[in-house]
Amino acid sequence: KAGVTQTPRYLIKTRGQQVTLSCSPISGHRSVSWYQQTPGQGLQFLFEYFSETQRNKGNFPGRFSGRQFSNSRSEMNVSTLELGDSALYLCASSLGQGWPDTQYFGPGTRLTVL
Amino acid sequence: GDSVTQMEGPVTLSEEAFLTINCTYTATGYPSLFWYVQYPGEGLQLLLKATKADDKGSNKGFEATYRKETTSFHLEKGSVQVSDSAVYFCALSDPYGANSKLTFGKGITLSVRP
Repeated sequence: KAGVTQTPRYLIKTRGQQVTLSCSPISGHRSVSWYQQTPGQGLQFLFEYFSETQRNKGNFPGRFSGRQFSNSRSEMNVSTLELGDSALYLCASSLGQGWPDTQYFGPGTRLTVL
Repeated sequence: GDSVTQMEGPVTLSEEAFLTINCTYTATGYPSLFWYVQYPGEGLQLLLKATKADDKGSNKGFEATYRKETTSFHLEKGSVQVSDSAVYFCALSDPYGANSKLTFGKGITLSVRP
């Protein structure tokens, strides 16, 4: 079974721009979660989508948004980029039901904001 | 809120040494507990998990036991290899609300020298 894939793997943007990251979950998984990883803050939960609906949200500003499509693929958008948005963005997929619901991570997208 | 505390790092060991990485947690209810590993330039890989008190998770020679009385989930390996060099994250899943939100510790870097 193919794992979680994320595209692109690397991105360089400038302040004020916007960016869209993509995540394709493991086949059969209906939940996609997004995390931001930085050296200072570690791994922080952004949001989770299940069946095209945002089911849970972390403590990030509204510049961070996401969506999920009917095939469970998800995109994350960051508008008006700031230097502090430079991070590794990780996507994780899971079945989204049952307990526990184990998450499997993709390789991440490394975003650099100049 | 939920939190995970990991011992301070980094940790440097010689090959075949015994490894212990401490992890304690604070959570309401009975979370599931996980260890994830991150190799350089990669995303997170699930190493092992435990879903209830006294459960022992194991994989690739690593073990961790869910200790409810001490709210701990320490990672151990009897004989480390150079290939175990990576960053290790302890995490818990929110027992209430969305299953899929993970709360992570800060991670600890393990270096194993030949």
